[in-house]
Amino acid sequence: QLQLQESGPGLVKPSETLSLTCSVSGGSISTSNYYWGWIRQPPGKGLEWIGNIYHSGSAFYNPALKSRVAMSLDTSRNQFSLKLNSMTAADTAVYHCARAWTTVLSQVVFDFWGQGAMVTVSS
Amino acid sequence: DIRMTQSPSSLSASVGDRVTISCRASQSIAGYLNWYQQTPGRAPKLLIYTASTLQGGVPSRFSGSGSGTDFTLTINGLQPEDFATYFCQQSYSIPYSFGRGTNLKIK
Repeated sequence: QLQLQESGPGLVKPSETLSLTCSVSGGSISTSNYYWGWIRQPPGKGLEWIGNIYHSGSAFYNPALKSRVAMSLDTSRNQFSLKLNSMTAADTAVYHCARAWTTVLSQVVFDFWGQGAMVTVSS
Repeated sequence: DIRMTQSPSSLSASVGDRVTISCRASQSIAGYLNWYQQTPGRAPKLLIYTASTLQGGVPSRFSGSGSGTDFTLTINGLQPEDFATYFCQQSYSIPYSFGRGTNLKIK
């Protein structure tokens, strides 16, 4: 069974860069046909998709966050990472990592998720 | 951006009940709609994709329907483990977007 686990700082100062890592077990992030994504949920609000990265390393992001986001893969450790710069209080959220695949009609489906890591932006 | 609106935001029901949760997209998304279940402190779980296809291992009491802008998740014969938050997600266009969730509570 595939498992994903987020790790990173629980507290980030305003204007700093958030770095989160998702460790994957039970499967390889190098497997073709899968994307690896990040989704966040601010307290009391809905889920927001941040971006996906393909097993090849190509990534695509939510246009609202694109100028501040970077995702990467570390295949040797079977991990993928998120960096989000210029953090503000509005970025306070639970951050989930997830695996995604596409159906024959190119629909993106998030089939395995991590339980999430709470990140608070505060000085 | 496509906005996903779920209703109701909260719902009380009893074990054995049949419940329906609605999800409406701000524009047509064909059948590009997924449903997830989340319980506090746990990873979200995929229930249904492409509007009506049951994910492997998900009980058959869950079903989904709809296309275009209006979609429904139905649970027939609620079980104690079904009391959770449910949310929909569209993948018709980027940015992928989610509904705010429906909190299904025990009556």
